[in-house]
Amino acid sequence: DQQVKQNSPSLSVQEGRISILNCDYTNSMFDYFLWYKKYPAEGPTFLISISSIKDKNEDGRFTVFLNKSAKHLSLHIVPSQPGDSAVYFCAASADSGNTPLVFGKGTRLSVIA
Amino acid sequence: DSGVTQTPKHLITATGQRVTLRCSPRSGDLSVYWYQQSLDQGLQFLIQYYNGEERAKGNILERFSAQQFPDLHSELNLSSLELGDSALYFCASSVVGLTTYNEQFFGPGTRLTVL
Repeated sequence: DQQVKQNSPSLSVQEGRISILNCDYTNSMFDYFLWYKKYPAEGPTFLISISSIKDKNEDGRFTVFLNKSAKHLSLHIVPSQPGDSAVYFCAASADSGNTPLVFGKGTRLSVIA
Repeated sequence: DSGVTQTPKHLITATGQRVTLRCSPRSGDLSVYWYQQSLDQGLQFLIQYYNGEERAKGNILERFSAQQFPDLHSELNLSSLELGDSALYFCASSVVGLTTYNEQFFGPGTRLTVL
């Protein structure tokens, strides 16, 4: 029973365009959501997060949107760059990040020059 | 560099053997988490320690155990290894409780191969 789902295993986008990565969750107790980026042979790197009291959080080229009623969040990358090519994991926590994270299976983003 | 270190980077061993994975958290972080990533899977939570005490348990097998020492480093012990234990094992750390929302920072992982 997957509580966090990333339904697109892969996504291919042209350099300069917008990348949109989606994530759905089922547990209404989740109150903190995070996106991690992972390169091969490295650990996941924290990218951006959003708490359930917000619906949008922005950091440079990265914006995360949260729709609590739909239990859906998305990560927007604008403009996409070749260096953004990586696997992106969506994760959720039920206690403001103080409990273990529940991860989706990841979406592999390829940004084509 | 996340500040979380893990050793060894790679480990190759045989079925039935026992191994120990080591993790040093970021300076100041009291909580350590262990996650397992098998092929084509997301990260699965194994166990969490906070300031030396076990705080949460996930899908950790009875053959696996962990501890956190007074200097806050942690070790994950895997015994009676099976082929299916081959995976990437990640350690993460966070401050827990000092601020409202706490992201976890991950180490580079240990790749375990059981032959």
